[in-house]
Amino acid sequence: GDSVTQMEGPVTLSEEAFLTINCTYTATGYPSLFWYVQYPGEGLQLLLKATKADDKGSNKGFEATYRKETTSFHLEKGSVQVSDSAVYFCALSPRSNYQLIWGAGTKLIIKP
Amino acid sequence: EAGVTQSPTHLIKTRGQQATLRCSPISGHTSVYWYQQALGLGLQFLLWYDEGEERNRGNFPPRFSGRQFPNYSSELNVNALELEDSALYLCASSSGGEAQFFGPGTRLTVL
Repeated sequence: GDSVTQMEGPVTLSEEAFLTINCTYTATGYPSLFWYVQYPGEGLQLLLKATKADDKGSNKGFEATYRKETTSFHLEKGSVQVSDSAVYFCALSPRSNYQLIWGAGTKLIIKP
Repeated sequence: EAGVTQSPTHLIKTRGQQATLRCSPISGHTSVYWYQQALGLGLQFLLWYDEGEERNRGNFPPRFSGRQFPNYSSELNVNALELEDSALYLCASSSGGEAQFFGPGTRLTVL
């Protein structure tokens, strides 16, 4: 069945460092791909999305490109801030039923 | 525009009792999704409602059920509560299969 694999955390970086959180997926057909973020004590927020191959989603300085050839959707940010500390979830939505299939989440800790 | 709202914020029950959780979607969204976020188990899909009908359910026992009302709000019912039902229950809404937008969740604690 469809699945999402994320790099395990926690990932600890210093402020202004470059961030990459890896996400790969297995799916039949052409799913939509998403990154969600969960700040401490809060619900899930949509960070960015891509609906077809080679699409680049971007928001708040974060970017991810839908790579069909490598079945990946890695999250990147050029310069992280302490306020980016959160848990990041990669997810896919099959075209057939729209339910979200989730990665395990990656906890990101940014130190000043 | 108001986001997805959920009530109550916290709910404490004892084993064997029933819990009812409520969700109001973003205005104009017809689909409502329920997810369980249990400690150590990540996010698991529970139920999907669209236009008042149950469209899909995840791998949960029948004591997890729900419904969607004509105004597209939704209710999740959990019968015969067990300790392992303790979790954060998240509701999301969407329009036409686009991205899902989440509410703040209901924290259910079963004692």
